[in-house]
Amino acid sequence: DAGVIQSPRHEVTEMGQEVTLRCKPISGHNSLFWYRQTMMRGLELLIYFNNNVPIDDSGMPEDRFSAKMPNASFSTLKIQPSEPRDSAVYFCASSLLAGQETQYFGPGTRLLVL
Amino acid sequence: GNSVTQMEGPVTLSEEAFLTINCTYTATGYPSLFWYVQYPGEGLQLLLKATKADDKGSNKGFEATYRKETTSFHLEKGSVQVSDSAVYFCALNSGNTPLVFGKGTRLSVIA
Repeated sequence: DAGVIQSPRHEVTEMGQEVTLRCKPISGHNSLFWYRQTMMRGLELLIYFNNNVPIDDSGMPEDRFSAKMPNASFSTLKIQPSEPRDSAVYFCASSLLAGQETQYFGPGTRLLVL
Repeated sequence: GNSVTQMEGPVTLSEEAFLTINCTYTATGYPSLFWYVQYPGEGLQLLLKATKADDKGSNKGFEATYRKETTSFHLEKGSVQVSDSAVYFCALNSGNTPLVFGKGTRLSVIA
């Protein structure tokens, strides 16, 4: 079975540009999570969805960040406008349910904002 | 609230050495406990888990026992290999909340 799929794997952009990261969760999973990983701050949960509905977005750093899940097989994380401090690896993960269940991580998108 | 504290790294060991990475937790209710591993350039993947007190999770030679009396879930391996070099994350969840991760411990194993 295919795991969590993320695209692009690498993204280099200039400050001020819009960035869109994409995620396809494992089929049948009802929860989807977006994380950000940096050396300084470690792994941070940005937002998670249950059954396509955003449950907790308290980890989203600023209004420049937004996430959507229009259907059970697709989610996006958008940064507009991007800033150099947004440079990080962004992971998407999915699980059957949000609680008491194993999360399966995608390979990540490495974002560099110049 | 729920939290996980794991030993700071980095940890550097010689091949075939014994590994312990300490993890303690604070949680309401009855959490499930996890160890995830992140190899260079990859996402996190589940290494092992335990869902109730005294359970032992094991995988790839790694073990961890859910100790409710000491609120701990220490990761151990009797003989590490170079291929075990990675970042290890302790995590928990309880109820319907998502995983809470520790900060990660980087392990380097040298031949």
